[in-house]
Amino acid sequence: DTEVTQTPKHLVMGMTNKKSLKCEQHMGHRAMYWYKQKAKKPPELMFVYSYEKLSINESVPSRFSPECPNSSLLNLHLHALQPEDSALYLCASSQGRNRGEEKLFFGSGTQLSVL
Amino acid sequence: EDQVTQSPEALRLQEGESSSLNCSYTVSGLRGLFWYRQDPGKGPEFLFTLYSAGEEKEKERLKATLTKKESFLHITAPKPEDSATYLCAVQDVYNFNKFYFGSGTKLNVKP
Repeated sequence: DTEVTQTPKHLVMGMTNKKSLKCEQHMGHRAMYWYKQKAKKPPELMFVYSYEKLSINESVPSRFSPECPNSSLLNLHLHALQPEDSALYLCASSQGRNRGEEKLFFGSGTQLSVL
Repeated sequence: EDQVTQSPEALRLQEGESSSLNCSYTVSGLRGLFWYRQDPGKGPEFLFTLYSAGEEKEKERLKATLTKKESFLHITAPKPEDSATYLCAVQDVYNFNKFYFGSGTKLNVKP
């Protein structure tokens, strides 16, 4: 299994809703990432769980919160989002820190629309 | 500050017309340079990793090269199915969890 699976593929939510995005990989990768990508822009790193340690992009608002229940799963909890948060949310994983292990494997993304 | 700049922003080619995409970078210490392909509404798909100047990698019609300041993705005799956005990313040797992505080159290959 060489896939990163993201659910749901599409999500429409109101500004008062609470929702969660889910990401799963079964490749034994030690790092998992959340990226945000606006149209025609590069992916922007939001969070990294690497070797059980969370790293945060300090520019990410607190209405986004990551959760890593185990080494194969990574959730992104959403609360009180704004319309400008509408974007493609990408999950990725990488094998480890050694040369040849760094490349990112991306899921297909969740297209989020905030109304 | 680490930066990645890709050019051109968009490229239209006729089928069979070879060309090159450019990725120039500024980084404290390069751990690796990565090329990805992204189709609309999908996640990026890994193509190549390059680690040191002079290194080259090939896959079908694509060839990636690396110098100390930039990387090129050469596309030989492209086909319509090569149409996609090509992203370049660099990994800093001092922060291996962070990948700096360029804005990409959107390639359109006409039959």
